[in-house]
Amino acid sequence: AQKVTQAQTEISVVEKEDVTLDCVYETRDTTYYLFWYKQPPSGELVFLIRRNSFDEQNEISGRYSWNFQKSTSSFNFTITASQVVDSAVYFCALSENDYKLSFGAGTTVTVRA
Amino acid sequence: EAGVAQSPRYKIIEKRQSVAFWCNPISGHATLYWYQQILGQGPKLLIQFQNNGVVDDSQLPKDRFSAERLKGVDSTLKIQPAKLEDSAVYLCASSLDDAANEHFFGPGTRLTVL
Repeated sequence: AQKVTQAQTEISVVEKEDVTLDCVYETRDTTYYLFWYKQPPSGELVFLIRRNSFDEQNEISGRYSWNFQKSTSSFNFTITASQVVDSAVYFCALSENDYKLSFGAGTTVTVRA
Repeated sequence: EAGVAQSPRYKIIEKRQSVAFWCNPISGHATLYWYQQILGQGPKLLIQFQNNGVVDDSQLPKDRFSAERLKGVDSTLKIQPAKLEDSAVYLCASSLDDAANEHFFGPGTRLTVL
């Protein structure tokens, strides 16, 4: 069974628009961690943000913000005022008690100048 | 701090040939992972090591794939014989021993099987 679902396959926006990426996860663990990674055209996966299951406080870090809701098992990610350099594939991932990451299928974000 | 190193970056082989990939994790990271990323999909775990012991290899096709991590540092992943469906990017990652810690990924090896 798929543990992480990213329903959006592709999103295309014009520079300076906001982009929100959806992520829904499934786990029976009470302690778990959620991540967002970015994979630019160069191919290397880059860590962006992390949230643990006990902290539902939503935060902002620069142009990134996230909305974690345990009641709906969602961990959405927003890029504010998008830039061309934000063009990449974004992956949501879940880490349970075994440390490994279960990734979603990814959302391709294209930011047009 | 040096990142996760992988080699080669690209490899093209014919089906039924063998191939090996190498990974050097970040110094001090006890846990090492090999992921397979097929085009258009998210990475999928093949094998997870803690130090030089295997923690999880449930998704590793053991009839053709093998991996080892000697001395708890470097690791090699081998495919023998390769099939067309093995065409993918093979990503090595390392992390500290905690589910809270992010994985640090290498640049990957892009394998094409013809």
